[in-house]
Amino acid sequence: DQQVKQNSPSLSVQEGRISILNCDYTNSMFDYFLWYKKYPAEGPTFLISISSIKDKNEDGRFTVFLNKSAKHLSLHIVPSQPGDSAVYFCAARANSGGSNYKLTFGKGTLLTVNP
Amino acid sequence: DAGITQSPRYKITETGRQVTLMCHQTWSHSYMFWYRQDLGHGLRLIYYSAAADITDKGEVPDGYVVSRSKTENFPLTLESATRSQTSVYFCASSESSFGSGDTFGSGTRLTVV
Repeated sequence: DQQVKQNSPSLSVQEGRISILNCDYTNSMFDYFLWYKKYPAEGPTFLISISSIKDKNEDGRFTVFLNKSAKHLSLHIVPSQPGDSAVYFCAARANSGGSNYKLTFGKGTLLTVNP
Repeated sequence: DAGITQSPRYKITETGRQVTLMCHQTWSHSYMFWYRQDLGHGLRLIYYSAAADITDKGEVPDGYVVSRSKTENFPLTLESATRSQTSVYFCASSESSFGSGDTFGSGTRLTVV
């Protein structure tokens, strides 16, 4: 039972355009969502997060949108740069007492930004 | 150097052997985690620890053992390695707040032959 779903295994965009990466979740207990970026042969690095009490969080070129009613979040990258080419993981954390700090990850989306 | 380090970076072992993957963090983060990354599965949690001497199972704990006698170390042991445990293993640590994400090590690529 996959609780965090990234239905697009890959996405290709042109440099300077917008990249939109999508993520759906099924667990209503999730109340904190994160995006990680991963380059080959490196560990994932934290990119941006959003609490369930918000519907938008922005950090420079990166914006995350959360639609709680649809159980959907998206990551927007504007403008996209070739250095953004990486695998992007969506992750979620449930407010469930002692296991607050366990992350559930999606399978990832490979973003390729073409020059 | 400050950070989270994993060793070894690469390991080849034979089926049935015991192997231990090491993880060390310098921040004194309370929480530490072990994940495995496999094609088609993303990152899956193996075990996690909320503090020294406190550990709990994640999504895929079978065949693995962890310990946490010191806050900074969180070794992962494969008691009798199987080919299905061929994977890339990531250790991570976290502050006790929701303000930022977990910090990951560079990973250990383990091959069981």
